[in-house]
Amino acid sequence: DSGVTQTPKHLITATGQRVTLRCSPRSGDLSVYWYQQSLDQGLQFLIQYYNGEERAKGNILERFSAQQFPDLHSELNLSSLELGDSALYFCASSGQGANTGELFFGEGSRLTVL
Amino acid sequence: GENVEQHPSTLSVQEGDSAVIKCTYSDSASNYFPWYKQELGKRPQLIIDIRSNVGEKKDQRIAVTLNKTAKHFSLHITETQPEDSAVYFCAEGRAQKLVFGQGTRLTINP
Repeated sequence: DSGVTQTPKHLITATGQRVTLRCSPRSGDLSVYWYQQSLDQGLQFLIQYYNGEERAKGNILERFSAQQFPDLHSELNLSSLELGDSALYFCASSGQGANTGELFFGEGSRLTVL
Repeated sequence: GENVEQHPSTLSVQEGDSAVIKCTYSDSASNYFPWYKQELGKRPQLIIDIRSNVGEKKDQRIAVTLNKTAKHFSLHITETQPEDSAVYFCAEGRAQKLVFGQGTRLTINP
């Protein structure tokens, strides 16, 4: 158990819909990362937050947004869903402060868009 | 920007042999290079990492080497075992951003 909690574990929805994925980082970790992993694909970096502020942005679509709340949990919002958005979405947290360090991944949220 | 190329995409070795996976990065400012292992249906987990002020690091059967001049780093697994079968990801990091390679599916044949 990494200490990172993601909900829901599985989600099935239709094209055009909107979903919210939730992540609770390890106790004490201030950084939260979101990654997308499509079938047999690598880990695509989406976005990173540190103590409530956006710190780095990757290839995140405009239809996607995220935020980190004062209690440090984070939410990834995916809207106007398309079939190609079906993927495993990982959240990870890190306690390295200003330096990049070990990421602790959650179990992921598997999104299926029909 | 950051871009990590990882080779090979698949690798099959006999149990007991060595496996080597290589990654090339583009951002000269990157200073952190971890390797993650992802078993089927599970989350990625860190197996070893190296920072840019070190050329080599070893942990039992696993070692990582870094060539800053050439901007590449490699994962070496010796005396491979069936439980080493997994997908391995390299990554480059700088200022909290961590970008992963496309992964290498390693299969250990008994």
